[in-house]
Amino acid sequence: NAGVMQNPRHLVRRRGQEARLRCSPMKGHSHVYWYRQLPEEGLKFMVYLQKENIIDESGMPKERFSAEFPKEGPSILRIQQVVRGDSAAYFCASSPPHDSYEQYFGPGTRLTVT
Amino acid sequence: EDQVTQSPEALRLQEGESSSLNCSYTVSGLRGLFWYRQDPGKGPEFLFTLYSAGEEKEKERLKATLTKKESFLHITAPKPEDSATYLCAVASGGSYIPTFGRGTSLIVHP
Repeated sequence: NAGVMQNPRHLVRRRGQEARLRCSPMKGHSHVYWYRQLPEEGLKFMVYLQKENIIDESGMPKERFSAEFPKEGPSILRIQQVVRGDSAAYFCASSPPHDSYEQYFGPGTRLTVT
Repeated sequence: EDQVTQSPEALRLQEGESSSLNCSYTVSGLRGLFWYRQDPGKGPEFLFTLYSAGEEKEKERLKATLTKKESFLHITAPKPEDSATYLCAVASGGSYIPTFGRGTSLIVHP
């Protein structure tokens, strides 16, 4: 049973470009969470999605950031017009529908904005 | 607002030297406390969930315990491969969104 998959693992973007991060949850999991991790700040929640629905986006910046989890295909975290402050590790986690307290994380995407 | 404080920030042990990591929390209605292990450059790996005070769980050299205010992760006779950052998180109320602590970086020397 494959774990949570994220790609790309490393992404370099210039300021002003768009970054698209993809996450495929574990088989049988229908809940997806995105987190951002900075070295001095720890893991910060961004958004919680179920298929075709955003359940909680209280941790998402109001501008430039968006997320989706379509009926088919992976969840996508999209960052428009990236700035240097967006450089971080972005992790996706998934959980099964019957127990959403236990989350299983992917390997992360390390975004570097130059 | 939920708060999670982990201590110490960093811990160095000799192989075989048992110790404990602390996770203090403040929540309104604990739904679960979680421990994760994170290796450099990797995602957090789920270890345990504890739901109520008095509960204990074990996995190999690790044992997690829970009281109403804190959780301990006991490491018995650690090995160098136990070196990692250990993260604690809590979920409360009706939310499925955990709040994470900043972690304890553990280094076990051979």
